Amino acid sequence: AQKVTQAQTEISVVEKEDVTLDCVYETRDTTYYLFWYKQPPSGELVFLIRRNSFDEQNEISGRYSWNFQKSTSSFNFTITASQVVDSAVYFCALSEAGRGGATNKLIFGTGTLLAVQP
Amino acid sequence: DVKVTQSSRYLVKRTGEKVFLECVQDMDHENMFWYRQDPGLGLRLIYFSYDVKMKEKGDIPEGYSVSREKKERFSLILESASTNQTSMYLCASSYRRRSNQPQHFGDGTRLSIL
Repeated sequence: AQKVTQAQTEISVVEKEDVTLDCVYETRDTTYYLFWYKQPPSGELVFLIRRNSFDEQNEISGRYSWNFQKSTSSFNFTITASQVVDSAVYFCALSEAGRGGATNKLIFGTGTLLAVQP
Repeated sequence: DVKVTQSSRYLVKRTGEKVFLECVQDMDHENMFWYRQDPGLGLRLIYFSYDVKMKEKGDIPEGYSVSREKKERFSLILESASTNQTSMYLCASSYRRRSNQPQHFGDGTRLSIL
């Protein structure tokens, strides 16, 4: 069965600290996609990144970086030099490749609340 | 930019009422989704639709129904609202033609059933 686990319920850091949010997934499929979303206090989920199962290259976008390791079924997210505006709930999600058409159903983790203190 | 608009940010209804939550997207997306979000449970899929008049049950469809008469609009219906349906409801949409494009979300509707 598909499952996404975000073991960290809440993390609190002080501004400028680096922080890593963990994501572990389970799937039987060989083709799948992983996502990270950010939910600020305003409520809207904002898409951050998508990674497919054949691409294990790490990705960096500004202060954000992602480490995908199939061997440990993990897709961790690191924020470097955190800022107060990074305070939000972060969700990791899994989608299996569509069968006969992409319905793109997502399985979400329970989210990690990141609080960045000034 | 994709825009997914939910009709209300906050809604208060009474037990037994029929409740309609509306969602409109402006990007010609084929797929539309309704989730509910509860503390400690993350997002759970209620229903989704991959075309006009098509719908499929998600993980927690009990007590809900949906309607998709036009491509851009997807409505969630609580047939007879109950207190355990108090929650945050999120609508999302995505392209169907290209596999596994990201879903784009609305701002959410915080629904309270008294």
